[in-house]
Amino acid sequence: GAGVSQSPSNKVTEKGKDVELRCDPISGHTALYWYRQSLGQGLEFLIYFQGNSAPDKSGLPSDRFSAERTGGSVSTLTIQRTQQEDSAVYLCASSSQGTSGSQETQYFGPGTRLLVL
Amino acid sequence: QKEVEQNSGPLSVPEGAIASLNCTYSDRGSQSFFWYRQYSGKSPELIMSIYSNGDKEDGRFTAQLNKASQYVSLLIRDSQPSDSATYLCAVNVPGNTPLVFGKGTRLSVIA
Repeated sequence: GAGVSQSPSNKVTEKGKDVELRCDPISGHTALYWYRQSLGQGLEFLIYFQGNSAPDKSGLPSDRFSAERTGGSVSTLTIQRTQQEDSAVYLCASSSQGTSGSQETQYFGPGTRLLVL
Repeated sequence: QKEVEQNSGPLSVPEGAIASLNCTYSDRGSQSFFWYRQYSGKSPELIMSIYSNGDKEDGRFTAQLNKASQYVSLLIRDSQPSDSATYLCAVNVPGNTPLVFGKGTRLSVIA
């Protein structure tokens, strides 16, 4: 079946503008994750959605960042008043939930490359 | 604080050699362990998962897990230049929590 898809693949914006990044998870996956990866750096966890539970927002770097997941499927990550330091690749992943309650393998989308000028 | 530690590298090995990538983790309750490969400019892709102590082999890849030592490794036999990438170790504990990723080890296979 189809994998995780993200759009746009690339986004160039001006400092101060708002941007929306979209993630469409694998069908049937209950968990959805957003990460950020700056050039040459590791994955930075941003936010995690699991089913109908309240999202884990502990990784969001500032209140300019928010995310929602509508209908338990598609998610949108919004960055308000973008800054140059927001430039990075934003990766989305999804997973199913194992019988023990632990998360199964995360599958990543291709990412959105954001450049803030 | 859950931590996953990896040597950042670069780890350079000659073509045909065995590459050994190591990862340690801090949470003794961890039960699921994953190795991802990330080519430059691409997103991470799953190489192997391992859940119980011992070795798990898949083609040229072998994952090794030692829960007592809180240590998981990935061996790549007959390394090829196409194996050159960053390898990410990820660990999970039971419950409603996301995977914890290490910062990755950069592997360079020299032809």
